[in-house]
Amino acid sequence: LAKTTQPISMDSYEGQEVNITCSHNNIATNDYITWYQQFPSQGPRFIIQGYKTKVTNEVASLFIPADRKSSTLSLPRVSLSDTAVYYCLVGDARGSTLGRLYFGRGTQLTVWP
Amino acid sequence: GAVVSQHPSRVICKSGTSVKIECRSLDFQATTMFWYRQFPKQSLMLMATSNEGSKATYEQGVEKDKFLINHASLTLSTLTVTSAHPEDSSFYICSASAPGTGGFYGYTFGSGTRLTVV
Repeated sequence: LAKTTQPISMDSYEGQEVNITCSHNNIATNDYITWYQQFPSQGPRFIIQGYKTKVTNEVASLFIPADRKSSTLSLPRVSLSDTAVYYCLVGDARGSTLGRLYFGRGTQLTVWP
Repeated sequence: GAVVSQHPSRVICKSGTSVKIECRSLDFQATTMFWYRQFPKQSLMLMATSNEGSKATYEQGVEKDKFLINHASLTLSTLTVTSAHPEDSSFYICSASAPGTGGFYGYTFGSGTRLTVV
C-alpha cells in the first residue's frame, strides 16, 4: 500500500490559490490518486481523482508529474467555506476487487478573511 | 450521484449495551462497504470491509466480536458495537463503491454517526 505524506496544516486568505502537495513514493502502477475533503462531524467528500498529468473539474485541479510520486491539489480562489481537512489517498479499485482506502493524517486548511 | 445514508447521526448509549449503525446505498448496489472510525482531531481509521453475502474482513487490531458487521443485502450494511464502553465513543463512518465504476471514483461516504457511551 502506498503511503502518503502531506503537510499537517496550511493557512491561506480568501481569494488566494492554495496548492497542497502529497508525496506517494511507493505508488503502484494500478493506483489512482484521489483527494477528499472533510468538514467537522461529516463524512469525507470526493473532490478529484487522477492517474497522471492534469485533471480539472469545477472545484479543483490535480497535477501529477510523470513519475507519479507526488501530486498537487490546487484550489483556486479559496473562500472561508473551504476551511476543512484535505486527504490524499492512493489506491487501486479496478474491477471487482475494490481497494481499501487508508487515510493519512490529512492537511488542515484554514482560510482567513 | 451515488448517495450513502447513515443512521443514526447521533446516538448515546449506556456502558454495556449494544448499538447498531446502519449504512445504506440509496441509488446503487454496493457489494462492498467499508467502516471507519475517527477520533477527535485524528484521521479516519479503516475498521473492516463489509462484503455482501459473506463475512466481513477486519483490519488488524479490530475486534470482530465487538464490532459485528452484517451485509445482508446489496444496499445495507450494519455495524453493531457490542457491550459498548466509553472508549468506544467515536465518529463512525461508512463508505461504499458501486461495482464496475473503474478506478475508485465511485467511493461515497456516509455522513457519519457520533457514538457517545456514558
